[in-house]
Amino acid sequence: DAGITQSPRHKVTETGTPVTLRCHQTENHRYMYWYRQDPGHGLRLIHYSYGVKDTDKGEVSDGYSVSRSKTEDFLLTLESATSSQTSVYFCAITNSGETGELFFGEGSRLTVL
Amino acid sequence: DAKTTQPNSMESNEEEPVHLPCNHSTISGTDYIHWYRQLPSQGPEYVIHGLTSNVNNRMASLAIAEDRKSSTLILHRATLRDAAVYYCILSIVKTSYDKVIFGPGTSLSVIP
Repeated sequence: DAGITQSPRHKVTETGTPVTLRCHQTENHRYMYWYRQDPGHGLRLIHYSYGVKDTDKGEVSDGYSVSRSKTEDFLLTLESATSSQTSVYFCAITNSGETGELFFGEGSRLTVL
Repeated sequence: DAKTTQPNSMESNEEEPVHLPCNHSTISGTDYIHWYRQLPSQGPEYVIHGLTSNVNNRMASLAIAEDRKSSTLILHRATLRDAAVYYCILSIVKTSYDKVIFGPGTSLSVIP
C-alpha cells in the first residue's frame, strides 16, 4: 500500500473557524491532490500540486487554500469554515509514471456546524 | 475536457460475471482509460487502465471498443467484496490528473 496518511481523520468544528487538513506521503511522489466527496457528486478536485511550492486550482477551489513547503506534505486550509464545506476530503498522490496510478488516502470527515 | 458517462447503478448475482459499461465519446487519441473503485468508507483504489488494446490483470479485464468511444470493465466472478462504486475516468498518463473528472460512477450491488 502507498504510504499516504491524512490527519485528522474526523473533525467537528463550528462555522467561521479555520481548519487545516494534512496529507503526508512517504513515496516521494511529485503530484498531490485534494478532493472532496459529497453524495451524488462523485469526487471533485479542490486543489493540486505538481511540486514543492507549485500548486493550482481545481474545479471547486473557492473557500480553500493549499500549501506545499516540502515534498511529503500537502496542507488544505479552510480559512473560515462554512456548513457547505461539510464533506469527506480525500488526498491522492501519483508520480505519473507508466501507469499513472492515483493512490488515495483513507479520507478526512469534516463536519461544520 | 473529455468526460465519461456510466449507469448510476447495477446489480449482479454472486459468482456471476459483471460487465460495467462506460461511454467516452469525446476521448482524444492520447487519453488513457482508467477504472477505480471505492469500497464503503474507503478511498478509491486503482483497478485497471488501458489505451487501445484489451487488458487483463488479477482484479479485472478491460475491453476497449475499436473506436475507443466506449469501454467495459469485466469482473469475471463477482464476490460480495466487489460491491462498490466504480469510476471510469480519462487521463493522459504522462501528466498530472488536474484535468481528470471523477463523475458519480456506477454503484454495483452484489446479491448473495
